[in-house]
Amino acid sequence: QKEVEQNSGPLSVPEGAIASLNCTYSDRGSQSFFWYRQYSGKSPELIMSIYSNGDKEDGRFTAQLNKASQYVSLLIRDSQPSDSATYLCAVYAGNNRKLIWGLGTSLAVNP
Amino acid sequence: NAGVTQTPKFRILKIGQSMTLQCAQDMNHNYMYWYRQDPGMGLKLIYYSVGAGITDKGEVPNGYNVSRSTTEDFPLRLELAAPSQTSVYFCASTTRGTGNTIYFGEGSWLTVV
Repeated sequence: QKEVEQNSGPLSVPEGAIASLNCTYSDRGSQSFFWYRQYSGKSPELIMSIYSNGDKEDGRFTAQLNKASQYVSLLIRDSQPSDSATYLCAVYAGNNRKLIWGLGTSLAVNP
Repeated sequence: NAGVTQTPKFRILKIGQSMTLQCAQDMNHNYMYWYRQDPGMGLKLIYYSVGAGITDKGEVPNGYNVSRSTTEDFPLRLELAAPSQTSVYFCASTTRGTGNTIYFGEGSWLTVV
């Protein structure tokens, strides 16, 4: 069974620090990888997508993909209290049109 | 720019009642999905559709039905509501042209009592 695993947390970091969120996946054929942010009581919203090995930066966010090791990570620099949310990792398994979702990591940024 | 629109936002049902959660998208996406998310839990796929007239089961289809008569609409039907169906329901859509990014509706909170 194809799986996506994340540490549930909570991950607690002080304001201004770097938050590091990790995700591993089981399907070696996966090609598309996503990080979504979900605030309590809201729907998930896309933070980053990544398709190739290496780093992809967007503002304070950096996604890192290592297909050989089957992990994808999200770094949040200069963390702000508004970054406090649950971060969901999602992976397309091969040619399947269904995303496989992790259970999410809860992040708390303390002022 | 409506995106994915879900109705109703909140609903209380009695055990055994039926209802339909509506979902519409105006982005011409061919793939649409229904998820449920229980408190503190991850997203579970109920049903999905790859185009008008084509639907398939996800992880937790029991107690639900769907139809996809148009590209825009993907309603979710609960036939005999049970307390186990108390959850928040998210409709979502995507297409290859968006890099496979999934766009979510705002959610429908359902309580069965």
